[in-house]
Amino acid sequence: GESVGLHLPTLSVQEGDNSIINCAYSNSASDYFIWYKQESGKGPQFIIDIRSNMDKRQGQRVTVLLNKTVKHLSLQIAATQPGDSAVYFCAEISGGSYIPTFGRGTSLIVHP
Amino acid sequence: DAGITQSPRHKVTETGTPVTLRCHQTENHRYMYWYRQDPGHGLRLIHYSYGVKDTDKGEVSDGYSVSRSKTEDFLLTLESATSSQTSVYFCAISESWENTEAFFGQGTRLTVV
Repeated sequence: GESVGLHLPTLSVQEGDNSIINCAYSNSASDYFIWYKQESGKGPQFIIDIRSNMDKRQGQRVTVLLNKTVKHLSLQIAATQPGDSAVYFCAEISGGSYIPTFGRGTSLIVHP
Repeated sequence: DAGITQSPRHKVTETGTPVTLRCHQTENHRYMYWYRQDPGHGLRLIHYSYGVKDTDKGEVSDGYSVSRSKTEDFLLTLESATSSQTSVYFCAISESWENTEAFFGQGTRLTVV
């Protein structure tokens, strides 16, 4: 069936660097793509979303890029901080159902 | 933080026993969801609710039932717990069908021995 996946299970970066977390999706009918952050022992927390008719959206220190040609989604975090260490999930919402389908997650480790 | 409380936070139970997890919200959001989280699988939807007494199945609903008798409470029941249901369970809420932002509870770690 359709699925959402991630390229890299673990990403290690130095504090201050920019981080890029990637996600591949297979459902070309998805309307929205969302990024969630999950810190250890906590529930996921919404970061940012992007509609399928957009290719870029910026938030506070984060940018999401959507490439529908290759079905690729990325989350860029500028000036990564130790507090950014967490598991990041991408999720997609398909037309007709506003329930997000989650990928497996990428662990981001920020070294001071 | 959105007002979502899951109880219990941790539970160990024996195979074959019934278990009920509770999700309580103070946000008056219409939509409520139960997910399970397992290593290598991310978050998978068990059941969801789109209103009082209105529920539907998700991707991994077998062995689970839900009830929503009040807007603020969404109960997840494992009728006869199995070891494969050992997992971390998350409740989530969202304000509207079109709102992509869901708020999650802290999770319940369930161990079935």
